Amino acid sequence: AQTVTQSQPEMSVQEAETVTLSCTYDTSESDYYLFWYKQPPSRQMILVIRQEAYKQQNATENRFSVNFQKAAKSFSLKISDSQLGDAAMYFCAHNPTGAQKLVFGQGTRLTINP
Amino acid sequence: EAQVTQNPRYLITVTGKKLTVTCSQNMNHEYMSWYRQDPGLGLRQIYYSMNVEVTDKGDVPEGYKVSRKEKRNFPLILESPSPNQTSLYFCASSLYQGSREKLFFGSGTQLSVL
Repeated sequence: AQTVTQSQPEMSVQEAETVTLSCTYDTSESDYYLFWYKQPPSRQMILVIRQEAYKQQNATENRFSVNFQKAAKSFSLKISDSQLGDAAMYFCAHNPTGAQKLVFGQGTRLTINP
Repeated sequence: EAQVTQNPRYLITVTGKKLTVTCSQNMNHEYMSWYRQDPGLGLRQIYYSMNVEVTDKGDVPEGYKVSRKEKRNFPLILESPSPNQTSLYFCASSLYQGSREKLFFGSGTQLSVL
């Protein structure tokens, strides 16, 4: 079965510091997509960043960047200059080959300490 | 405003009482899907639809029904709810497919089955 693993159920960081959330996935394909979604207390699911596997360059969106290690099947999210509004549950997701869905990890709850 | 509208936001019901969770999108998206979110399990796909009158099972379809009579609507039906269907439910849509594109999520329905 295709799996996505987030090994950190909870993380905390001081405001303005940098934090990295881990994600590993399982696939035998070379072309696929990876995502990070943010779920704040409002429950809304918000796309943070999207990475295409065939692109060597790591995706970035303002303070959010990824470290995509294709051979290691690792896709970590780095949040720089953490802000109180970054407090949320973060989900890593991967698209299994041939399936019209995303497989999500268990989630990491991020707390920002003022 | 482009959005996925999901209702109700909260629902408490009793075992066996049929219910419907509605989902509507105003973006002319072809793909729509239902996910359930449970602690420690992330989000799992229930059903999806690639277009009008085209639906298919996801990973956890037991106890659920869907229909896609119109492009904009994709209701989730629980014919005889049971306590193990207590969960947070999300409707999602995307332009063509749900595995490579950004997913637009509804605001979620917290369902409790007593």
